[in-house]
Amino acid sequence: ETGVTQSPTHLIKTRGQQVTLRCSSQSGHNTVSWYQQALGQGPQFIFQYYREEENGRGNFPPRFSGLQFPNYSSELNVNALELDDSALYLCASSLESYEQYFGPGTRLTVT
Amino acid sequence: KNEVEQSPQNLTAQEGEFITINCSYSVGISALHWLQQHPGGGIVSLFMLSSGKKKHGRLIATINIQEKHSSLHITASHPRDSAVYICAVPPTSGTYKYIFGTGTRLKVLA
Repeated sequence: ETGVTQSPTHLIKTRGQQVTLRCSSQSGHNTVSWYQQALGQGPQFIFQYYREEENGRGNFPPRFSGLQFPNYSSELNVNALELDDSALYLCASSLESYEQYFGPGTRLTVT
Repeated sequence: KNEVEQSPQNLTAQEGEFITINCSYSVGISALHWLQQHPGGGIVSLFMLSSGKKKHGRLIATINIQEKHSSLHITASHPRDSAVYICAVPPTSGTYKYIFGTGTRLKVLA
């Protein structure tokens, strides 16, 4: 059984650019949740995908968008990057909405 | 007031000490999740428990559903235990997101 994986591990982008982060869910899981964690802060919920549909969304602007694919892997896209988007982005997979298993995260730096 | 509160916020201990981190919640739960995050690292699942006690190595987690309280204990602490420990409430029926506690930053000195 493979765990949750994320790519890339680290990423540096310039303000105004666009970024795509990827997450492969754990085998057997059909739900992926994305979180943003700024330095020294707790994770903030961005959105959740369940069976390829957005199932819930936190307080993030529309420039944060996502996709879930038929194999339940997921992408997080952020357009028009801002300096405050610098953070660790975590994805977590689960079966339905229950216990979530977290990936190692992608550290995004926006300069 | 946060729905999930932890105490203490910060904790420094000497190697070998017994450590207790507390978590109180005000929402209805079906289970509670204890998580660990090392500096700069991702989040690792420690325990998911809905009643009683669970033990894994030097870590012990307990929960009292009636009192809405859970504790995470670390016996014979070691510098590698230095991390942020987070308790979180998984989604219940009709909800979809975790409610994270405020986190406890633990530093174990050699």
